[in-house]
Amino acid sequence: SQQGEEDPQALSIQEGENATMNCSYKTSINNLQWYRQNSGRGLVHLILIRSNEREKHSGRLRVTLDTSKKSSSLLITASRAADTASYFCATDEETGGFKTIFGAGTRLFVKA
Amino acid sequence: SQTIHQWPATLVQPVGSPLSLECTVEGTSNPNLYWYRQAAGRGLQLLFYSVGIGQISSEVPQNLSASRPQDRQFILSSKKLLLSDSGFYLCAWSGLVAETQYFGPGTRLLVL
Repeated sequence: SQQGEEDPQALSIQEGENATMNCSYKTSINNLQWYRQNSGRGLVHLILIRSNEREKHSGRLRVTLDTSKKSSSLLITASRAADTASYFCATDEETGGFKTIFGAGTRLFVKA
Repeated sequence: SQTIHQWPATLVQPVGSPLSLECTVEGTSNPNLYWYRQAAGRGLQLLFYSVGIGQISSEVPQNLSASRPQDRQFILSSKKLLLSDSGFYLCAWSGLVAETQYFGPGTRLLVL
């Protein structure tokens, strides 16, 4: 079953605008990750936020985590056409399992 | 540095034919290894994961099997392909802590 569910499913913005994607999950987690996938390629890890963290930054990326609402958001500031990709959130199992559960993803299109 | 290889990149197979997809990792020892399938425009479905040689966990009952004959080699197989086996197959590895996963470039399989 899906652990992470991204929202929206698709997002189209102009270059320079900010893009916000949300992720909701169902069970307790140890950490939450965001990945990026260019069309037809493998996934690339962007950022990991642990369950005891509320916010994390990496370059133009800002991730927040609200464990009380079981949700996370990924903000890409000053978007570029090269940011066009699908973005996935992924969660692990708090029991320490080796499985990472991926959501269905948000497809971001940044228009130049 | 670590690298992960998958081949072939693209494969077209008739229904009922066998399948063997190979994934190898370089530059690390005793990785956790994963096989995922991704339908067009969708998220990732975990098929198999392995925490060591000969140790395979199956997530979804299906027409596929996996083997890990060597520490850094993970093979996805089928004796008889079905139309529904078409998709994009991704191999990934992670360290012992099973957090960040590193993905290969993927194999696009089309069963006709």
